[in-house]
Amino acid sequence: DGGITQSPKYLFRKEGQNVTLSCEQNLNHDAMYWYRQDPGQGLRLIYYSQIVNDFQKGDIAEGYSVSREKKESFPLTVTSAQKNPTAFYLCASRQGTNSPLHFGNGTRLTVT
Amino acid sequence: AQKVTQAQTEISVVEKEDVTLDCVYETRDTTYYLFWYKQPPSGELVFLIRRNSFDEQNEISGRYSWNFQKSTSSFNFTITASQVVDSAVYFCALRDGGYNKLIFGAGTRLAVHP
Repeated sequence: DGGITQSPKYLFRKEGQNVTLSCEQNLNHDAMYWYRQDPGQGLRLIYYSQIVNDFQKGDIAEGYSVSREKKESFPLTVTSAQKNPTAFYLCASRQGTNSPLHFGNGTRLTVT
Repeated sequence: AQKVTQAQTEISVVEKEDVTLDCVYETRDTTYYLFWYKQPPSGELVFLIRRNSFDEQNEISGRYSWNFQKSTSSFNFTITASQVVDSAVYFCALRDGGYNKLIFGAGTRLAVHP
């Protein structure tokens, strides 16, 4: 079945460490997205990529970095510069400008 | 600026009750798209419906129905005869014609009790 795989489901890190969240899709979608979800705030866009080797900052890109070396992969690195990294992270993809987003199951990151 | 407001933070109903989730949006564009997503406890967002700004027809899909009113900038979602499986967080989202991202509301948590 086609879909988006995010791993791991739960991730724990110590403050000051960088951590990379994986996102893989086999839907052959061109565009991929990273959202952050905090309680009561809905989803906020971190980064997005419309094609391979290209990506743009979203609304809350500070403290995060991404790469898009392959069409199917869009990893997100949460750096030590991110002041409040504990959150639920969702990866999404879509094909076509007006198509709906397809989401992965998310990664819950806890930094202590 | 684009904005989506879901004023209802949490709603609690008993099974078989009808429930309406409100969504109010702001945009200056004449071309835009509205979406509803469901987020069950598993965490994945599930797409429910997309509506473009030129199509004000209401839509019904089984127990789900959507009421789009441009005059009040609202896109409300009604579940008829709610079931326990409808318990989830529901998000309304807006995409302007000139942008490549979705703006989400804060979500409404629906709890359906047996």
